[in-house]
Amino acid sequence: DGGITQSPKYLFRKEGQNVTLSCEQNLNHDAMYWYRQDPGQGLRLIYYSQIVNDFQKGDIAEGYSVSREKKESFPLTVTSAQKNPTAFYLCASSIRESNQPQHFGDGTRLSIL
Amino acid sequence: AQKVTQAQTEISVVEKEDVTLDCVYETRDTTYYLFWYKQPPSGELVFLIRRNSFDEQNEISGRYSWNFQKSTSSFNFTITASQVVDSAVYFCALSVRYGQNFVFGPGTRLSVLP
Repeated sequence: DGGITQSPKYLFRKEGQNVTLSCEQNLNHDAMYWYRQDPGQGLRLIYYSQIVNDFQKGDIAEGYSVSREKKESFPLTVTSAQKNPTAFYLCASSIRESNQPQHFGDGTRLSIL
Repeated sequence: AQKVTQAQTEISVVEKEDVTLDCVYETRDTTYYLFWYKQPPSGELVFLIRRNSFDEQNEISGRYSWNFQKSTSSFNFTITASQVVDSAVYFCALSVRYGQNFVFGPGTRLSVLP
């Protein structure tokens, strides 16, 4: 089945540690996105990529980094510089046109130990 | 800049009641696209509908219907005869022609009680 796979489902980070969230899609979509969702709040864009080897910062990129070496993969690293990383992280992908819906993964819930 | 407002933070209804979720958007672009997504307790966002700015026809899909009014910049979503399985957070989103990204509203949490 085509879709987006995020792993792990739950992740715990120690103080000062970098952690990487995985996002893989087999929908052949050019565009991929990372969102952060805090309890009771909407989605905020962290980073997005419209094409391999290119990505742009979203509204809340500080403390995060990404790479886009392959079309199907868009991993997100939460660095130690992100002081409040506890949140639900959602990855999405879409055809690279603004009228196309984004398709979402099941999310990763990150907590601080 | 684009903005989406969902003024209803939480709504509770009893099963079989009808419920309308409000969405008001702001954009200066004349070409734009509106979306509704459902986020059940499991967490993933499920795409429900897309509407472009040139098509103001209302749409019905089973118990779901959408009312798009450009005059009031609204794209409201009605669930008829609600069911417990409709309990979720619903997000309205906006995308403009020359932008590549969505702007999401804050979401409305719908609880349908048996």
